[in-house]
Amino acid sequence: TQLLEQSPQFLSIQEGENLTVYCNSSSVFSSLQWYRQEPGEGPVLLVTVVTGGEVKKLKRLTFQFGDARKDSSLHITAAQTGDTGLYLCAGEENDYKLSFGAGTTVTVRA
Amino acid sequence: GAGVSQSPRYKVAKRGQDVALRCDPISGHVSLFWYQQALGQGPEFLTYFQNEAQLDKSGLPSDRFFAERPEGSVSTLKIQRTQQEDSAVYLCASSLENNEQFFGPGTRLTVL
Repeated sequence: TQLLEQSPQFLSIQEGENLTVYCNSSSVFSSLQWYRQEPGEGPVLLVTVVTGGEVKKLKRLTFQFGDARKDSSLHITAAQTGDTGLYLCAGEENDYKLSFGAGTTVTVRA
Repeated sequence: GAGVSQSPRYKVAKRGQDVALRCDPISGHVSLFWYQQALGQGPEFLTYFQNEAQLDKSGLPSDRFFAERPEGSVSTLKIQRTQQEDSAVYLCASSLENNEQFFGPGTRLTVL
C-alpha cells in the first residue's frame, strides 16, 4: 500500500511541450523527494524539498512542495526525449524511511 | 564504478526454491536499504541496516524473507520457498548516515 498517490499514471507528449506530474498524500512528510528511474536501473534522486511552499528549479524542471507538506508537483518545460522515464515521488516518514508513490511514466515523442 | 552493485541482475527460480540476492554498497556507506518493486509500482521498503545492525525489518512480507549484513558492508537478501507473488525487482540502496540514498540497478526475480 502506497501512501503517496501520483497522477497521471501515464503521460505521453510531443517534444517541446510542457508537462506536470502530481504527488498527493493525506500524510505530512518531513521532506519529499523526486526521483527518475529508467528501465533496468534504480531510481536517481532529482531533488529534495523540505519547507512548505518551497519551489526548487533544476534547469527545465520546477518542483513545488505544498504549504501543508502533503503534496508536491513536478513541472517540466519544453520537454526533451531525454526526459522520458518513470518519475517517482517519495515522502520521508522518519530520518531513514521513504514511502514511494506508484510513479508516472512519461514518454516524450520526437 | 563506485556505485551500488547488485548480483545477479536476473534470477529465475522455480516455485519453492530458495534464492539469495547480493548487494555491494558504496564503500564507507553506513546505511543500507532493501526495497521491493513490483511491476508498475514504486519501490516498497523492506528493511534497513546501520552498519551490521538491522534496525528496521518491518517491511519484510513474511518470515520467508531474511536479510543480513554481517560485516557492515555487503548485504544478502534471502527468500526461502519462493512463491509467484515474490516476483519483483529487488533494489538495494546505500547512504552515508541517513543522507541521500543511492540505488543499485536491482535484481529482477521471476518465480515460475
